[in-house]
Amino acid sequence: GQQVMQIPQYQHVQEGEDFTTYCNSSTTLSNIQWYKQRPGGHPVFLIQLVKSGEVKKQKRLTFQFGEAKKNSSLHITATQTTDVGTYFCAGPGETSGSRLTFGEGTQLTVNP
Amino acid sequence: ETGVTQSPTHLIKTRGQQVTLRCSSQSGHNTVSWYQQALGQGPQFIFQYYREEENGRGNFPPRFSGLQFPNYSSELNVNALELDDSALYLCASSLYRGEGEKLFFGSGTQLSVL
Repeated sequence: GQQVMQIPQYQHVQEGEDFTTYCNSSTTLSNIQWYKQRPGGHPVFLIQLVKSGEVKKQKRLTFQFGEAKKNSSLHITATQTTDVGTYFCAGPGETSGSRLTFGEGTQLTVNP
Repeated sequence: ETGVTQSPTHLIKTRGQQVTLRCSSQSGHNTVSWYQQALGQGPQFIFQYYREEENGRGNFPPRFSGLQFPNYSSELNVNALELDDSALYLCASSLYRGEGEKLFFGSGTQLSVL
């Protein structure tokens, strides 16, 4: 079945350093979504990418969708303590278009 | 805040018991999806309800069942609880488009099975 993999599993950075998490799917995706889950919280939608090679920015966050639509990345410039949390990528399931298959997430900790 | 509410927030059950979790979807949304999130893992799709019918199911046994009501709220029922059912159960509402709709998650129900 479809698999969505993320690396790294954990990332510890000093405040001000950059951070990148990578997402790879075993199948081509029609779109990819990114969610953030704060410790003890629930996933919150960040962005959706649809087009091959698409790049979107939200302040210090830059999201990319690969040309083959099988991989994606999230890059945070100059991390802040408010960036702490787990970042998940998610893609549509193979058999049901509106279900999402989530990656295992990258847990980001930021040392002040 | 997403407007998606779940109850209860925490629940402790013993093996073999049954549990019902509840979810009220965000105003204007007609679809509810349920996810199970084990500690340190990503959410796993259980099933989705649209127009009061099950509209897709993940790799979960039949003892996981659900309902959606005319007001689009939903219930998740789990029978014959097992220890491995201990997890955070997340409800997400959306406006059905067939693919790619943004999910709005509730705060979840933390279920512990002893």
